[in-house]
Amino acid sequence: DGGITQSPKYLFRKEGQNVTLSCEQNLNHDAMYWYRQDPGQGLRLIYYSQIVNDFQKGDIAEGYSVSREKKESFPLTVTSAQKNPTAFYLCASRKAGGDSNQPQHFGDGTRLSIL
Amino acid sequence: DAKTTQPNSMESNEEEPVHLPCNHSTISGTDYIHWYRQLPSQGPEYVIHGLTSNVNNRMASLAIAEDRKSSTLILHRATLRDAAVYYCILRVSGGGADGLTFGKGTHLIIQP
Repeated sequence: DGGITQSPKYLFRKEGQNVTLSCEQNLNHDAMYWYRQDPGQGLRLIYYSQIVNDFQKGDIAEGYSVSREKKESFPLTVTSAQKNPTAFYLCASRKAGGDSNQPQHFGDGTRLSIL
Repeated sequence: DAKTTQPNSMESNEEEPVHLPCNHSTISGTDYIHWYRQLPSQGPEYVIHGLTSNVNNRMASLAIAEDRKSSTLILHRATLRDAAVYYCILRVSGGGADGLTFGKGTHLIIQP
């Protein structure tokens, strides 16, 4: 079955360490996204990529970095510059093209905790 | 982005219809209305979207007011698996920054 795989499901890191969250999709989607969700809140956009080797900042990009070297993969690095990294991180993808109303498909998330 | 307003929570009984309201009084002519839902500890799931006409799919129906300042997501026969947070989102078609803007949504509680 096609879908989005995020790994790991839970991640613990020490303060000051960079950490990379994995997101892989086999839906052949061009566009991919990273969102952050804090308890009781909606999702906020961190970064998005509409095509390989290109990506744009979302609303809360500070302290994060991404790469898009392959169509299937969009890893997110949470750097030590991110002041409050403990959160639920969600990756999504959608078919690109002219209709931006194509639905986004989400993974099941990675819960990051900083010790 | 145009804003949406939803009740914080709603409660319904199993096997009864559920009507989830959303106000979007500043909606523009090119904004589509999207609904997603999020089950506990999972990523959001697309439910339905529409522009002006009412829409139906296997999951739900979307009723859009004639002036488009409000809409209602209708679950025809709620089950316990429909207990989730439901998000109403406006999406500009064909332009602007990509990505979805999520509010806090409506927490739907289903009583057996």
